[in-house]
Amino acid sequence: DSGVTQTPKHLITATGQRVTLRCSPRSGDLSVYWYQQSLDQGLQFLIQYYNGEERAKGNILERFSAQQFPDLHSELNLSSLELGDSALYFCASSVGTASNTEAFFGQGTRLTVV
Amino acid sequence: GNSVTQMEGPVTLSEEAFLTINCTYTATGYPSLFWYVQYPGEGLQLLLKATKADDKGSNKGFEATYRKETTSFHLEKGSVQVSDSAVYFCALSRGNAGNMLTFGGGTRLMVKP
Repeated sequence: DSGVTQTPKHLITATGQRVTLRCSPRSGDLSVYWYQQSLDQGLQFLIQYYNGEERAKGNILERFSAQQFPDLHSELNLSSLELGDSALYFCASSVGTASNTEAFFGQGTRLTVV
Repeated sequence: GNSVTQMEGPVTLSEEAFLTINCTYTATGYPSLFWYVQYPGEGLQLLLKATKADDKGSNKGFEATYRKETTSFHLEKGSVQVSDSAVYFCALSRGNAGNMLTFGGGTRLMVKP
């Protein structure tokens, strides 16, 4: 158990809909990251928050947004969903922002858009 | 930009065989290098890491050495077990403007008894 909790584990929704994925980081971790894992794109970094502030942005679509709350949990919002958004979405957390910092991953939320 | 290239799988080995999974990277400066492992239905777990040139990371019999001259971080294990069957990801982190991980495509390892 990594200590990172993601909910829900599975989500099936229709095209055009909006969903929210939730992540609780490990106790004491201030950094939260979101990654997307798909068969064609592999593991792609989406966005990072550190202590409530956006720290870095990757290839995140404009239809996607995220935030980190004062209690440090994070939510990833996906809207106007398309079939191609079907993927496994991972949240990870770490203590800080140094390059050698270990990131701990949750078990992921599998999103299926039908 | 940063990128990681690792050998495509699947790699199929018999138990007790020697394992090598190749990984090369492109990055400016001095990234930290990682191997993560993903077991079926689970998230990624850190297997080992190295943070500067010539460092060797090791864990559970796996080893990888940070080679700056060849920009490589190959994963090796002398004797694989069935329980090592998983997908292995090589990754790097730069640490400036965010320490996100850049991953290779992953290599599936299957170990037969």
